[in-house]
Amino acid sequence: DGGITQSPKYLFRKEGQNVTLSCEQNLNHDAMYWYRQDPGQGLRLIYYSQIVNDFQKGDIAEGYSVSREKKESFPLTVTSAQKNPTAFYLCASSLATNEQFFGPGTRLTVL
Amino acid sequence: AQSVTQLDSHVSVSEGTPVLLRCNYSSSYSPSLFWYVQHPNKGLQLLLKYTSAATLVKGINGFEAEFKKSETSFHLTKPSAHMSDAAEYFCVVSDWDMRFGAGTRLTVKP
Repeated sequence: DGGITQSPKYLFRKEGQNVTLSCEQNLNHDAMYWYRQDPGQGLRLIYYSQIVNDFQKGDIAEGYSVSREKKESFPLTVTSAQKNPTAFYLCASSLATNEQFFGPGTRLTVL
Repeated sequence: AQSVTQLDSHVSVSEGTPVLLRCNYSSSYSPSLFWYVQHPNKGLQLLLKYTSAATLVKGINGFEAEFKKSETSFHLTKPSAHMSDAAEYFCVVSDWDMRFGAGTRLTVKP
């Protein structure tokens, strides 16, 4: 059963802590993406990766970091430098056709 | 630069009546266009996509959209709304990357 999984579904963090959100896909897609969603603002691109061991900043990369050591995995770390990290985070993957397939999301709340 | 504007942040219809969600785009090239749907606390699901084939695109759950180049529009329609259609809908334009609209929340009244 192919698809994209994200974990955890809900995540709580204390201020000053780094947290890592997991994203795994078994669709054999080359490209993977991380988006942040805030109410009324649609989706904003944080980072994307078109190939293993390579990634590029999106529109709002400050305070975030990623790695792409394996084709199927693209974890996102929300660092303490991110001033307002409470949001819904969505991971996606695609082939070259640009149609993106989305995971179920992780809701991060900073306490 | 490409961009997309969803003209209504919220649309409310009665069950059984038509749905119209409006989307205008700008792009320097011949873009691909998508509509995605998101139910609360869920990921996005592709409804339909336009990739320079037929201008009237049929999607899942009875939705369709028409690409009008002269109007730079890609409005989403459905003849008869169902309660399960209540969700957030995103219009997306893509030439080399994907740009999402701000979303339209569809409410369906019984």
